[in-house]
Amino acid sequence: QSVVTQSPSASGTPGQRVTISCSGSSSNIGTKYVSWYQQLPGTAPKLLVYRTNQRPSGVPDRFSGSKSGTSASLAISGLRSEDEGDYYCAAWDDSLSGIVFGTGTKVTVL
Amino acid sequence: EVQLVESGGGLVQPGGSLRLSCAASGFTFSSYWMHWVRQVPGKGLEWVSHISDDGSRTNYADSVGGRFTISRDNAKNTLYLQMNSLRAEDTAVYYCARDLGGWNDFWGQGTLVTVSS
Repeated sequence: QSVVTQSPSASGTPGQRVTISCSGSSSNIGTKYVSWYQQLPGTAPKLLVYRTNQRPSGVPDRFSGSKSGTSASLAISGLRSEDEGDYYCAAWDDSLSGIVFGTGTKVTVL
Repeated sequence: EVQLVESGGGLVQPGGSLRLSCAASGFTFSSYWMHWVRQVPGKGLEWVSHISDDGSRTNYADSVGGRFTISRDNAKNTLYLQMNSLRAEDTAVYYCARDLGGWNDFWGQGTLVTVSS
């Protein structure tokens, strides 16, 4: 069982803004960079955000990350049908001495 | 182009062993820490293990410590995961992933390990 929790699901209509939350602790999110991964059906995870709010080359600026205390958020603006999938937050955890992943959020485009 | 290709998955009986490989190309493999991450079908991601760029430092999740061993051959650009004393709960897709400072910027396509009698 992950020590980093996410809301199980989020949904919106095309064009809307959706926000996914991620709650951790001082040993991970509170003191470390947060990353976000997108996993589309049947595919491997893909890095969406790193260093809490940085996007890799090729990731649209519709995706944005932020952090406050021991919680982090991923916002998806201008929601599109191809955004439908699972989203995971992650951070290094000092207690684990490894990466801890959030429980995941399934995004549905209505 | 960065590529990570896992192999070695399959069906194994409880208590058995399996060695996974991850062939890397398109980057200087010896300069990067590497990870194994697994995912039970239909469930979330679980970090399994990581190894430093030179192979001198490793760490494991509590769920696999003492049973799994991560290693690498920088001359062959290959990452390994030796899995012993396998249990039904080890059934998952295993991904190798490159580390870029505490996050994974490239992932392989995964290899399925099924532990069942």
